[in-house]
Amino acid sequence: SAVISQKPSRDICQRGTSLTIQCQVDSQVTMMFWYRQQPGQSLTLIATANQGSEATYESGFVIDKFPISRPNLTFSTLTVSNMSPEDSSIYLCSVEGTGTGTYNEQFFGPGTRLTVL
Amino acid sequence: AQSVTQLGSHVSVSEGALVLLRCNYSSSVPPYLFWYVQYPNQGLQLLLKYTTGATLVKGINGFEAEFKKSETSFHLTKPSAHMSDAAEYFCAVWGGGFKTIFGAGTRLFVKA
Repeated sequence: SAVISQKPSRDICQRGTSLTIQCQVDSQVTMMFWYRQQPGQSLTLIATANQGSEATYESGFVIDKFPISRPNLTFSTLTVSNMSPEDSSIYLCSVEGTGTGTYNEQFFGPGTRLTVL
Repeated sequence: AQSVTQLGSHVSVSEGALVLLRCNYSSSVPPYLFWYVQYPNQGLQLLLKYTTGATLVKGINGFEAEFKKSETSFHLTKPSAHMSDAAEYFCAVWGGGFKTIFGAGTRLFVKA
């Protein structure tokens, strides 16, 4: 299994500002995933972050709005830039299992609850 | 391409009653199927998963699900609901491409 922590756990921000969310994993992983969960909705994959390469963004998400860093195998950041109220969501970091029997299983951080005023 | 449909955004049961949460999937390759649970203000955690082999899989907290290929279904059940089961439940499918596709979620309410 993997234990994932995120910072901050929640924040209230003003429109037009940016927030960087940190994700720390207790083991080395190849891929890290960032999801958005809008109020009352399911998870939408924003991007996949591989160490040493540019993140791969899903349709509807762009690097200028959601820049991602992946400096090593246990850490990643997601920045929500130039925020608007529509960015109010829970942002979740996730990794795939690598241990025996956990392949394709995903482990999630507790999430960052963002409110944009 | 893969997709997941969860029937019913909200399900309400009485404590002690059967829990049935429905999930149908679409996949062009043999899928791996998952149920995740999300308690309030928490991230998701795995309840159970089907990869290969036995089609009836048992998970944590007394939940189980049956993979029915002919019906493309993976419904989640629990014989007797407990108040602590109240949460959001997500069905998910992995069909390759390093991506897991999640359903829209079903919120389970348990009445005393």
